[in-house]
Amino acid sequence: DTAVSQTPKYLVTQMGNDKSIKCEQNLGHDTMYWYKQDSKKFLKIMFSYNNKELIINETVPNRFSPKSPDKAHLNLHINSLELGDSAVYFCASGGANTQYFGPGTRLTVL
Amino acid sequence: AQSVAQPEDQVNVAEGNPLTVKCTYSVSGNPYLFWYVQYPNRGLQFLLKYITGDNLVKGSYGFEAEFNKSQTSFHLKKPSALVSDSALYFCAVRDTEGGKLIFGQGTELSVKP
Repeated sequence: DTAVSQTPKYLVTQMGNDKSIKCEQNLGHDTMYWYKQDSKKFLKIMFSYNNKELIINETVPNRFSPKSPDKAHLNLHINSLELGDSAVYFCASGGANTQYFGPGTRLTVL
Repeated sequence: AQSVAQPEDQVNVAEGNPLTVKCTYSVSGNPYLFWYVQYPNRGLQFLLKYITGDNLVKGSYGFEAEFNKSQTSFHLKKPSALVSDSALYFCAVRDTEGGKLIFGQGTELSVKP
């Protein structure tokens, strides 16, 4: 079974649209994260939730809204998509010391 | 602020030779250090971590890393490289605030036959 899963794997959409990415973990962790990998492969934290509560919001535009219905799920909703939002988005789940990453969602905004 | 640096964008190694991918860190307090690998069009896979204890940490796929406090380094090593080791390698430090990972810029490892 996949420990951290994301859907969809690829997302191609037009500017101005609204889209969501879903993430689920079956590791029993309390903390989940969203990271963004840009075109230069640089990885940066966006959000972190601990047991459904937001604990990190790393200066991300408010067009991005994470939602955690329960501690096994952390979804990312993006409004009014812009060209600069094109990137790979990784969900991660954190144990006491180690984070495990999902396969990523490649978002392309046309 | 916590940070890590990977001074080499690319490392080229011949198959069978030892490899080293460099990482230096800057933290306040005791560092929690990690190495991850990203194969093309794949997610990040955890390789190994240093939290405390022995300075030489062994991880997945035959990789190991040496924690050096005086040089503030955490270099990734493997005694004998495989072509299949070719990938993008990230060093990371765990931030004390919220537990987020702060990544280096990544090092592309290319192992040629």
